[in-house]
Amino acid sequence: DAKTTQPNSMESNEEEPVHLPCNHSTISGTDYIHWYRQLPSQGPEYVIHGLTSNVNNRMASLAIAEDRKSSTLILHRATLRDAAVYYCILRDLAGGTSYGKLTFGQGTILTVHP
Amino acid sequence: DTAVSQTPKYLVTQMGNDKSIKCEQNLGHDTMYWYKQDSKKFLKIMFSYNNKELIINETVPNRFSPKSPDKAHLNLHINSLELGDSAVYFCASRGLADSRDTQYFGPGTRLTVL
Repeated sequence: DAKTTQPNSMESNEEEPVHLPCNHSTISGTDYIHWYRQLPSQGPEYVIHGLTSNVNNRMASLAIAEDRKSSTLILHRATLRDAAVYYCILRDLAGGTSYGKLTFGQGTILTVHP
Repeated sequence: DTAVSQTPKYLVTQMGNDKSIKCEQNLGHDTMYWYKQDSKKFLKIMFSYNNKELIINETVPNRFSPKSPDKAHLNLHINSLELGDSAVYFCASRGLADSRDTQYFGPGTRLTVL
């Protein structure tokens, strides 16, 4: 899977929007952009994913650059429960031998202040 | 209902012992994984099984032996435990019919080798 680059950490205040960036300059045409997060002492959980168009769900929004070399996960109103490590992961779903495995980078540690 | 469960949650043992971690998913998924998260918090894939067949083995020492008695279970047996095996082990599952192609993680098993 292609590599992603994220800031080590970010901070936010409660009830403010948070924009978590991810660079993936070597993304291929068949790579989907997935975001997972890991709350303290828990396993990772799926947040959102997309290919080319921006995506919204109940947890977050995903904004994908037109050239797909970067993306931004948007939490519209951060809560204390959103404090977690956020991982941006590229997944090639065109087939091959990856068998759906997730290749995690270091992620971004999000701290939310009350 | 818990989607992916692991037992035990904590495991403390001596070097040289043999131990097992069990994982069960009730999502009807075909593919299951074991990931290891070390003290530096890096998450790495170890194994994957699809319908009881091993499909990913990421250069893990052969002291680690996964076993899948049926597609709902993927257990991890570790022989001759070493200090470096101390980590949190996460089980995950993925359904090929899931249009989001997401993985669901268990709560993790914290293994401490003394």
